[in-house]
Amino acid sequence: EDQVTQSPEALRLQEGESSSLNCSYTVSGLRGLFWYRQDPGKGPEFLFTLYSAGEEKEKERLKATLTKKESFLHITAPKPEDSATYLCAVYDSNYQLIWGAGTKLIIKP
Amino acid sequence: DTGVSQNPRHKITKRGQNVTFRCDPISEHNRLYWYRQTLGQGPEFLTYFQNEAQLEKSRLLSDRFSAERPKGSFSTLEIQRTEQGDSAMYLCASSFTGSPSGNTIYFGEGSWLTVV
Repeated sequence: EDQVTQSPEALRLQEGESSSLNCSYTVSGLRGLFWYRQDPGKGPEFLFTLYSAGEEKEKERLKATLTKKESFLHITAPKPEDSATYLCAVYDSNYQLIWGAGTKLIIKP
Repeated sequence: DTGVSQNPRHKITKRGQNVTFRCDPISEHNRLYWYRQTLGQGPEFLTYFQNEAQLEKSRLLSDRFSAERPKGSFSTLEIQRTEQGDSAMYLCASSFTGSPSGNTIYFGEGSWLTVV
């Protein structure tokens, strides 16, 4: 069964403390992996799309990487405004979008 | 450049009442999606349209749910005879299949439904 698992469920960091969020997937024929940021009470905001193993994308303090089994969202020197839930989703070979449950990131000043 | 627009943003209704949500996608986006999300979970797919055609509907979706996209522009999602279990955030999203990033979907701010 196609599945997306995100870990950890929640992560608390001090401001400036770099870390990584994980998205592991088992899908038949990956057609794309997506990272979104979601603030409380709002819709997900698109961050990155990755299509093939070895691909990397960067935006400000965020960097997303992709392997054949998982993706990492690295956050460098985070600030309190980076606090949010980060969602991962993948398209399988039938272009069905499968979502993880998200990682809640809290950055303390 | 306006994003996906949803209204109302919040709706409180009594059990058994009907509710309707509206979604205006990003202009020129030919695909429109409806999702439902509860706390601590990722979005759950409900249905999607390509232009005015409803191409897929979740098998988990109750017959009380219906969606339309007349003329391939805005869309409405109606829930009839609401139940407390329908309380959730309803998300609309859109994408344009004719672009290089056509797989990327963009979400609206969501419509919160509380059934009391």
